[in-house]
Amino acid sequence: GQQVMQIPQYQHVQEGEDFTTYCNSSTTLSNIQWYKQRPGGHPVFLIQLVKSGEVKKQKRLTFQFGEAKKNSSLHITATQTTDVGTYFCAGPKAAGNKLTFGGGTRVLVKP
Amino acid sequence: DGGITQSPKYLFRKEGQNVTLSCEQNLNHDAMYWYRQDPGQGLRLIYYSQIVNDFQKGDIAEGYSVSREKKESFPLTVTSAQKNPTAFYLCASSTKTGGEQFFGPGTRLTVL
Repeated sequence: GQQVMQIPQYQHVQEGEDFTTYCNSSTTLSNIQWYKQRPGGHPVFLIQLVKSGEVKKQKRLTFQFGEAKKNSSLHITATQTTDVGTYFCAGPKAAGNKLTFGGGTRVLVKP
Repeated sequence: DGGITQSPKYLFRKEGQNVTLSCEQNLNHDAMYWYRQDPGQGLRLIYYSQIVNDFQKGDIAEGYSVSREKKESFPLTVTSAQKNPTAFYLCASSTKTGGEQFFGPGTRLTVL
């Protein structure tokens, strides 16, 4: 079946530094979605990318969808303590299919 | 206020008892989902429903049951057949299957 992997599983970042987390699917995705779950909370939708090679920015967060629509990345610039949480990517194999979630990248920020 | 609610927030049960977790949404979404999350782990799909009176098994359906008699409601029953039921259960909904999902606050179930 479809598998979505995220690396790294854990990311310790010094406040103010940049980092990137990666998402790789075993199959082509119709779209890729990113969610953030704060400690003790529930996942919250961040963004959806649909087109091959698409890049979207949300303030200090930059999301990219790979050319082959099988991978994606999330880059955070100048990390802040508010960035703490687990970031999940998810995507359907085809439009109208259920989402398959990656295992998440847990981000810890050192002040 | 539009949203998705789950109750209760914390639930304790004795081993061998069935327990039903509530999930309600007033977003007029067709699709609803149940996920299980274990500490430090990702989301695993238990069941999902694309439309009223229809539902499909997810990746870990054994020991669970659901119903979708109303568009707004998608209750999950954790049966005594579920070998390790202690977990964080999240309900979600979306306009259509595969679209942006809105999550409820979750129910933390502890089976003693």
